[in-house]
Amino acid sequence: KQEVTQIPAALSVPEGENLVLNCSFTDSAIYNLQWFRQDPGKGLTSLLLIQSSQREQTSGRLNASLDKSSGRSTLYIAASQPGDSATYLCAVRPGGYSTLTFGKGTMLLVSP
Amino acid sequence: NAGVTQTPKFQVLKTGQSMTLQCAQDMNHEYMSWYRQDPGMGLRLIHYSVGAGITDQGEVPNGYNVSRSTTEDFPLRLLSAAPSQTSVYFCASSPDSYQPQHFGDGTRLSIL
Repeated sequence: KQEVTQIPAALSVPEGENLVLNCSFTDSAIYNLQWFRQDPGKGLTSLLLIQSSQREQTSGRLNASLDKSSGRSTLYIAASQPGDSATYLCAVRPGGYSTLTFGKGTMLLVSP
Repeated sequence: NAGVTQTPKFQVLKTGQSMTLQCAQDMNHEYMSWYRQDPGMGLRLIHYSVGAGITDQGEVPNGYNVSRSTTEDFPLRLLSAAPSQTSVYFCASSPDSYQPQHFGDGTRLSIL
């Protein structure tokens, strides 16, 4: 059974810092990996999708990398801002499946 | 495009009552899924569908029923509500296994 782990569970940083969120998964047979953002009481917003054949994807200040063989992905946030405060979720789409397996998330707080 | 629309946004039920959570998407996506999100448990898959007339069980299907008569709609039925079904329910859709999943804003359900 695929399991997804996110470390750390919570992170507090001052504004302007560069930071890295980690995601690991137990079965490397995946179609793709997706990073989401969730604000309190809200739904999930897709940030980046990395296909299994790709190494990284970038969107603005966000960069996500994927090392499928080692079962790891990182989300890099450059020059963090208070508006980045949210819970970040990592999810993998196992090969042959149409749905996602989620990690429990990293709760990020960026202080002014 | 409205994306993925979930109704109602909030609902309070008594134990033993039944109800249907609605999910509709206007993107002509074949794949649709229902997840529940609980504190400390992350998002867990309830049921999913890969097209009209095709549904399958996820990780936590007990107490829930689904059907998919059209591409647009994927309702989730609670047959006899129990306090353990108190949760936030999310519906998601995607065109196929290689595209990002899009999520609705969720339905917050309390069972008394």
